[in-house]
Amino acid sequence: SQTIHQWPATLVQPVGSPLSLECTVEGTSNPNLYWYRQAAGRGLQLLFYSVGIGQISSEVPQNLSASRPQDRQFILSSKKLLLSDSGFYLCAWSYTGNGYTFGSGTRLTVV
Amino acid sequence: RKEVEQDPGPFNVPEGATVAFNCTYSNSASQSFFWYRQDCRKEPKLLMSVYSSGNEDGRFTAQLNRASQYISLLIRDSKLSDSATYLCVVNRGLTGGGNKLTFGTGTQLKVEL
Repeated sequence: SQTIHQWPATLVQPVGSPLSLECTVEGTSNPNLYWYRQAAGRGLQLLFYSVGIGQISSEVPQNLSASRPQDRQFILSSKKLLLSDSGFYLCAWSYTGNGYTFGSGTRLTVV
Repeated sequence: RKEVEQDPGPFNVPEGATVAFNCTYSNSASQSFFWYRQDCRKEPKLLMSVYSSGNEDGRFTAQLNRASQYISLLIRDSKLSDSATYLCVVNRGLTGGGNKLTFGTGTQLKVEL
């Protein structure tokens, strides 16, 4: 069966520090991968998606970047965090036309 | 106008009640539809897909009206464990492959004794 792993679960980082969140999927090949953010009291916002190794598309301009160095690995990064980057970050995978399966998320607080 | 709109609630209902949630979407090119459930501080989990013919899974019934761009979820015989936020989700294809799920902000349900 397919599983998706995301870490860390919680993170407190100072403004201006770098960020690296990792997501890996097991039990499937060539999945579509996604990074979403959920700000406090708000809906989920799609940040990046990837349909293959090295292929990254950004949905909204922001202080973040994403990379997919391997088929089942998706990384979200920032060189310098802003207070507004705080939120609940969720990685997800899917096959086209189907719903997503989410990882357990990383709750990021920038202080 | 938001792409997916839901009444945020909260809906406070007694155990055993029947409750209905509604959702509207603006993009007529949307291809598939889902209801997700999100517990407090947890990731969303797929509850059920939604089809034009309507579909039922135990106490849950989902319905899609493409002409009105309207989606519904009916929960019968509510349980305490049904307390959560219910997210209406609309899918459209992405250029180059993949699919984009757009989430409503959710409807909060609280089932009480």
